[in-house]
Amino acid sequence: EAGVTQFPSHSVIEKGQTVTLRCDPISGHDNLYWYRRVMGKEIKFLLHFVKESKQDESGMPNNRFLAERTGGTYSTLKVQPAELEDSGVYFCASSQVSLGEQFFGPGTRLTVL
Amino acid sequence: AQKITQTQPGMFVQEKEAVTLDCTYDTSDPSYGLFWYKQPSSGEMIFLIYQGSYDQQNATEGRYSLNFQKARKSANLVISASQLGDSAMYFCAMRSGNTPLVFGKGTRLSVIA
Repeated sequence: EAGVTQFPSHSVIEKGQTVTLRCDPISGHDNLYWYRRVMGKEIKFLLHFVKESKQDESGMPNNRFLAERTGGTYSTLKVQPAELEDSGVYFCASSQVSLGEQFFGPGTRLTVL
Repeated sequence: AQKITQTQPGMFVQEKEAVTLDCTYDTSDPSYGLFWYKQPSSGEMIFLIYQGSYDQQNATEGRYSLNFQKARKSANLVISASQLGDSAMYFCAMRSGNTPLVFGKGTRLSVIA
């Protein structure tokens, strides 16, 4: 069974540009989470989908970040326009049930120059 | 608010020796779960071990064990018989109810031959 996959693995963009990150959860997992780790700091929760609905988006830093999960399958996280402080590693995780073990993807390393 | 504290930014251990990675937590919720994840240099987050707040016994998974001291609010990870492949970042995390995972800053473990 395939694990959580994320694309791209690395992205380098200039300040002001737009970047879209993609996450494919484990098949059948209704719960999908986005997290971010800024260099040297804790991994921080961004938001949680249950199927296509946003269950909790309290961790989204500002309105430059837009997450979608159309059809309840894969999810995208768009940053527009990107700022320097958005640099970090963005992790996606999925779980079968809300309180279940979360399986993480390999992350996307985003660098904003 | 929930908080995870990992006070050791880096640790060294000799191959085949045991090592303890510290984790303390803070929560007012009586029901919670504690997790440890490993992040090797390849970047993925690997789930290692889980401890529920009502579990009577310390969790064990192979060479990993969790030294759960509820009164002290600590959940230290013990790795026995360290191997070179154990060199990685280790994150302690917790969750209660429907709240998202809260992570510590991590500890970088280096296993020396």
